[in-house]
Amino acid sequence: KQEVTQIPAALSVPEGENLVLNCSFTDSAIYNLQWFRQDPGKGLTSLLLIQSSQREQTSGRLNASLDKSSGRSTLYIAASQPGDSATYLCAVIYNTDKLIFGTGTRLQVFP
Amino acid sequence: GEEVAQTPKHLVRGEGQKAKLYCAPIKGHSYVFWYQQVLKNEFKFLISFQNENVFDETGMPKERFSAKCLPNSPCSLEIQATKLEDSAVYFCASSPKRIGLTGADTQYFGPGTRLTVL
Repeated sequence: KQEVTQIPAALSVPEGENLVLNCSFTDSAIYNLQWFRQDPGKGLTSLLLIQSSQREQTSGRLNASLDKSSGRSTLYIAASQPGDSATYLCAVIYNTDKLIFGTGTRLQVFP
Repeated sequence: GEEVAQTPKHLVRGEGQKAKLYCAPIKGHSYVFWYQQVLKNEFKFLISFQNENVFDETGMPKERFSAKCLPNSPCSLEIQATKLEDSAVYFCASSPKRIGLTGADTQYFGPGTRLTVL
């Protein structure tokens, strides 16, 4: 069965800390992996997309890495800010095109 | 349009009533997806379309759920005889092409419709 797991489930940190969010997937035959952000009561915002042939992607203070063979991805957030508070979701796509989501990491950054 | 539009934003139904949700994909996108988010972060894939044709319906509860994407009309997801467990946020997403061939694109999500069944 194709499953995605995220740890930790929740994280509360003071402003300025560097963070690592983890994602693991059981079937390594992915076409891409994405990290999304979801704010309470809102839709999903795509943060980073890593194709299966890539090792990492960067956008501003965000860096995502992919180790396809071991079924793992990490999202690194540098110098966290209160505005980063949200739920972060990892999702993978196989040849069926449907996104398979992890259960998310709820992040709170306090001033 | 440049964004996926979903209506209504909120929908309240009594148990046993019908619920119908609508989605207008981004103009030019051929693929439409429906997802159900229950219990905070649990996303479940329901169904996808390539234009007006069903592409993958492996996630659909067939007894009460149905969906359509007709030409020149918003896509719709209909739930007959709603149950308490259907309470969730239903997200629609669209993409311009098959992602599961190259992995080079993403699905663009709408803001969701929150369905509450009382």
